[in-house]
Amino acid sequence: GDSVTQMEGPVTLSEEAFLTINCTYTATGYPSLFWYVQYPGEGLQLLLKATKADDKGSNKGFEATYRKETTSFHLEKGSVQVSDSAVYFCALSDLGTALIFGKGTTLSVSS
Amino acid sequence: NAGVTQTPKFQVLKTGQSMTLQCAQDMNHEYMSWYRQDPGMGLRLIHYSVGAGITDQGEVPNGYNVSRSTTEDFPLRLLSAAPSQTSVYFCASSYKAAGELFFGEGSRLTVL
Repeated sequence: GDSVTQMEGPVTLSEEAFLTINCTYTATGYPSLFWYVQYPGEGLQLLLKATKADDKGSNKGFEATYRKETTSFHLEKGSVQVSDSAVYFCALSDLGTALIFGKGTTLSVSS
Repeated sequence: NAGVTQTPKFQVLKTGQSMTLQCAQDMNHEYMSWYRQDPGMGLRLIHYSVGAGITDQGEVPNGYNVSRSTTEDFPLRLLSAAPSQTSVYFCASSYKAAGELFFGEGSRLTVL
């Protein structure tokens, strides 16, 4: 079945460091891909998405490119801030089904 | 602009007790779902609904019931709580199943 695998955390960075969180997926069709972020004590909110191969989603300085050839959707940010500390979830939706989430990666940014 | 509202935010139950987690959305979304979040497990789908009167099981439905009598509401019922149901529960809705999900703030349930 469909699945999402993302790198284990926690990821600990200093402010202004470069961030990469890896995400790969397995799907039978042509899924839409998402990154969600969960700040402490809150629900998840959509960070960015891509609906077809080679699309790049971007928001708040974060980017991710839908790579069909490597079945990947890695999240990147050039310069992280303390306020980016959160849990990040990669997710996919295939054939109009419910979203399938990865296990989440905790990011901690120190000043 | 309420979005998705969950109640209660916190609840402690004893094994065998029953309760209902409430979820309401004011965005006229057809699709609603319940997830549970556990450490190291990510989010797992419990039940979902694609419209009023229609519900289906997700990945981990055992021990939970749902109904969808209106577009706005999607309550989750625990008929006989077990310690394994200790978790944080999230309700989410979207315009369609594969669309952007809007989440509530979560309900933290502890079963003793």
